[in-house]
Amino acid sequence: AQTVTQSQPEMSVQEAETVTLSCTYDTSESDYYLFWYKQPPSRQMILVIRQEAYKQQNATENRFSVNFQKAAKSFSLKISDSQLGDAAMYFCAYRSARAGNKLVFGAGTILRVKS
Amino acid sequence: GAVVSQHPSWVICKSGTSVKIECRSLDFQATTMFWYRQFPKQSLMLMATSNEGSKATYEQGVEKDKFLINHASLTLSTLTVTSAHPEDSSFYICSARTGGSGNTIYFGEGSWLTVV
Repeated sequence: AQTVTQSQPEMSVQEAETVTLSCTYDTSESDYYLFWYKQPPSRQMILVIRQEAYKQQNATENRFSVNFQKAAKSFSLKISDSQLGDAAMYFCAYRSARAGNKLVFGAGTILRVKS
Repeated sequence: GAVVSQHPSWVICKSGTSVKIECRSLDFQATTMFWYRQFPKQSLMLMATSNEGSKATYEQGVEKDKFLINHASLTLSTLTVTSAHPEDSSFYICSARTGGSGNTIYFGEGSWLTVV
């Protein structure tokens, strides 16, 4: 079974600075997707960024980028120019490319942004 | 983008009663929906996968007779918590998967259940 590990329960960053959230996963599959979701106090799950395992190029979405290391099974999220609105719980998630592909979530990292 | 709506957003029920939570895909057909439970400051725990027109697939340790899931149409899945007890109080979230190669998953807003 696949597992996702987020080793940082909490992280803090100063406004306008950069922060990196760590995520590792374990799988025997070669075709899969990786995601970072943001969950603000409203509890709405918001997709931040998505990476297909077959793509070597790291995904980027404005201030958000990932460092995808397939061999190391590592998928970290970098947030640049942090803003107060970035404060939330961040979840790393894995999804198999096979049919019935449910999301497997990590434990989450609480990100606090200091002004 | 695709929208998934959950109703109610919050509900309080008496111990021993049953409560139903709805999950609707508003602008796409979802052959598969997922139900999660989330305790405070914890991750999402998958409870079951809901498939349109067939029985739901429950995760290990989830009581299927207690958490009844019905996926009667391509846009609606319901979770019924039967004979609810205080320990069932939690935040329940659904998600729905679009079809095709894109295969994106969208989440509902979640439902707070408090059993008193």
